[in-house]
Amino acid sequence: NAGVTQTPKFQVLKTGQSMTLQCAQDMNHNSMYWYRQDPGMGLRLIYYSASEGTTDKGEVPNGYNVSRLNKREFSLRLESAAPSQTSVYFCASSEAPWSGNTIYFGEGSWLTVV
Amino acid sequence: GENVEQHPSTLSVQEGDSAVIKCTYSDSASNYFPWYKQELGKGPQLIIDIRSNVGEKKDQRIAVTLNKTAKHFSLHITETQPEDSAVYFCAASKRVGGYQKVTFGTGTKLQVIP
Repeated sequence: NAGVTQTPKFQVLKTGQSMTLQCAQDMNHNSMYWYRQDPGMGLRLIYYSASEGTTDKGEVPNGYNVSRLNKREFSLRLESAAPSQTSVYFCASSEAPWSGNTIYFGEGSWLTVV
Repeated sequence: GENVEQHPSTLSVQEGDSAVIKCTYSDSASNYFPWYKQELGKGPQLIIDIRSNVGEKKDQRIAVTLNKTAKHFSLHITETQPEDSAVYFCAASKRVGGYQKVTFGTGTKLQVIP
């Protein structure tokens, strides 16, 4: 059981380039999330998808777009990368979006924008 | 919005000793408090959680306490082992509209010295 799988693990981008982070979960969860983790700031929610077919902004959505491709897959796109988007990105999922549902995280994607 | 403060930021203990990590939150509407362990190069993993209608929960060497009045919650690890070395995050969660809003603390790096 792989859980939450995200790719790529590492990526270096030049300012202005675009890229997509891919995420898939095999737990039949309804809700999926994208977080970023920066030193001293914990994890911050970028976008979430409460259920298949819906997406909504989190705390720090600027510069990102998402697509909930199907129940399993939730991608994060950087249209024009900026150095401020250098971070570790985590995809996550939960059975439902309600408070109290365990959130399961992927192993992270390290992104550097130069 | 919710603010979660976590202390200390780093903690070193001798193997076999206890470790305590403390968090405070600001929003009395938060009703679910998970704790995550993040090992180097990995995603956060839930280790224990507590709901607002419970004051204490224990799972083997790990326990969590919650004081709703003071808006404090703490993680206690007894008989620490080298494999407990990791970064620990507390979080406070509540339902906002259609999703689970989780606010994370900034993390505590725990080092267990053999």
